[in-house]
Amino acid sequence: EVQLVESGGGLVQPGGSLRLSCEGSGFTFSLHAMNWVRQAPGKGLEWLSYITASGAATQYGDSVKGRFIVSRDNVKNSLFLHLSNLRDDDTAVYYCVRGVAADSWRADYWGQGTLVSVSS
Amino acid sequence: EIVLTQSPGTLSLSPGERATLSCRASQSLGDNYLAWYQQKPGQAPRLLIYDVFYRPAGIPDRFSGSGSGTDFILTISRLEPEDFAVYYCQQYSRSPRTFGQGTKVEIK
Repeated sequence: EVQLVESGGGLVQPGGSLRLSCEGSGFTFSLHAMNWVRQAPGKGLEWLSYITASGAATQYGDSVKGRFIVSRDNVKNSLFLHLSNLRDDDTAVYYCVRGVAADSWRADYWGQGTLVSVSS
Repeated sequence: EIVLTQSPGTLSLSPGERATLSCRASQSLGDNYLAWYQQKPGQAPRLLIYDVFYRPAGIPDRFSGSGSGTDFILTISRLEPEDFAVYYCQQYSRSPRTFGQGTKVEIK
């Protein structure tokens, strides 16, 4: 069974930093691209970032480009998102989402999410 | 950026009725790279349809997708109680990948 488990969320002050993690199991993590998607409270879904299976290529949405960095450790079956210079409007549930293949933009499985709250 | 506009915002129907949800793209998705997700309160989204038409394993056949170009439809042939939820379309044809704003299917 494919499982994605996010962690690392919490309360952080504006301007602060945080690192989110996502551990995958039940599949060969190193063969799949991965994404981060977020959802602000009561709002819709926003795609944030993408990383290929090898980690060689990354992409970002405009709202987080230059502030968030995606990375992965295929030995530890883990995906990371480093969030910096956080703003109030970064408050959201952050989901990791599996791509269906090594460099595919199509996604299938989602984790349950981790909540990031940005507030002073 | 491709903007996806979903309509209606809310659909009020009774169990057993047919639901028709629309997703319109601001640019043509010639490669048909469009998906539909279902989200229930407090849960992560679940993939229902990919590449406009295809259902992943385990998705009931009462869910179907259609459309091409800029206009896409998700149809739920007969609503079951567990189908009342919010539905999102997403395009993965061009970056940034974008989602529609969602359609809430509520019990009438």
